[in-house]
Amino acid sequence: QKEVEQNSGPLSVPEGAIASLNCTYSDRGSQSFFWYRQYSGKSPELIMFIYSNGDKEDGRFTAQLNKASQYVSLLIRDSQPSDSATYLCAVNGASSGGSNYKLTFGKGTLLTVNP
Amino acid sequence: GAVVSQHPSRVICKSGTSVKIECRSLDFQATTMFWYRQFPKQSLMLMATSNEGSKATYEQGVEKDKFLINHASLTLSTLTVTSAHPEDSSFYICSARRTSGGLNYEQYFGPGTRLTVT
Repeated sequence: QKEVEQNSGPLSVPEGAIASLNCTYSDRGSQSFFWYRQYSGKSPELIMFIYSNGDKEDGRFTAQLNKASQYVSLLIRDSQPSDSATYLCAVNGASSGGSNYKLTFGKGTLLTVNP
Repeated sequence: GAVVSQHPSRVICKSGTSVKIECRSLDFQATTMFWYRQFPKQSLMLMATSNEGSKATYEQGVEKDKFLINHASLTLSTLTVTSAHPEDSSFYICSARRTSGGLNYEQYFGPGTRLTVT
């Protein structure tokens, strides 16, 4: 059974600090990895995706992927109160490809950025 | 780009009636759309995968005769909750995958539909 694990939190950081969110996955054949942000009562919003080992930066966000360790992380630099949300890690596994393209989601980490 | 809309955003219906929810990709074509359900303070639960022009694939435990899915075009999928009951009250969210070829698994979510069955 494919699993995606995240620390449920809450993770609390002060404004301006770096928030580090972590995710591990069980399907070694997974090919693509996503981070979504979900504000309370709203639907998820795609903020980053990464397909290759290493780092990918987009503004204040950096996604890091280590396929050997089956680990993906999201760093948020200069955290703002508006970053307070639940962050969902999602993985597309080798067995989920083809005509389906299903994503397996973690349960999410609640991030609180304190002013 | 990659905007997905849902209609209605909120609906209240009586027990036993049916409700149709529309999901549209506004600025891209979506061969594959997905329907999720989310109960308060719980994670997303995939209900079904909808492929344009073919039957939907339902996840284990999801009743296909209760949750009817139609994906008649590359920009529109509909979910009909038939004979709704109070336990069907939930936040229903669709997502769409861009049909761009290659390793393109990104899903873009609609804003969701909050269903309340009285």
